[in-house]
Amino acid sequence: QSVLTQPPSVSEAPGQRVTISCTGSSSDIGAGFAVHWYQQLPGTAPKLLIYSNNNRPSGVPDRFSGSKSGTSASLAITGLQAEDEADYYCQSYDSSLSGYVFGTGTKVTVL
Amino acid sequence: EVQLVESGGGLVQPGSSLRLSCAASGFTFSSYWMSWVRQAPGKGLEWVSNIKQDGSQKYYVDSVKGRFTISRDNAKNSLHLQVNSLRAEDTAVYYCARCFSAEHFDFWGQGTLVTVSS
Repeated sequence: QSVLTQPPSVSEAPGQRVTISCTGSSSDIGAGFAVHWYQQLPGTAPKLLIYSNNNRPSGVPDRFSGSKSGTSASLAITGLQAEDEADYYCQSYDSSLSGYVFGTGTKVTVL
Repeated sequence: EVQLVESGGGLVQPGSSLRLSCAASGFTFSSYWMSWVRQAPGKGLEWVSNIKQDGSQKYYVDSVKGRFTISRDNAKNSLHLQVNSLRAEDTAVYYCARCFSAEHFDFWGQGTLVTVSS
């Protein structure tokens, strides 16, 4: 099963900005399918963070934003806070597999 | 409030079977696609299967085709995953998730752990 590629980890000081990339292919992100992002705090279930490329569910701070271009997408976190320490996953749909695909996951560390 | 509560996990030997269940509440269950997503210990997320509102369409990741069967009971607001011929690589936390617009997963349960070991 193909996956979307993310950097294993990113780290930055409190108050700074981090971006997480998500690279796909012509059968998923590049085919026009939307990208969604999830936050998974330690020991908990994933939580929807961004949907349809750049939309935030109710209750998600506007410090989180998403974008998509070509076969890639990005998640940006501004004003980094200690509570943002978590694993982040992107997700899309793959037409060649007729199924959903997730990114490899990125661990965000607040220094 | 949307709630998804999984059950049915456990420690089983290779080749065994289990039936995972997910009890849904707080929304009109019969109006949504539903999915199972799993996460092996220390690993990333993997979509396993999903099922249409009326159960007429079902999809699976290649690695579980022929071994896992997804089903739902809209009268009881419940989702199930029959997992047969279990392998060590099936060891994971299995999450029940609601699908929104058949595109993303907007609510997740807390998960149920399946451990396959001799």
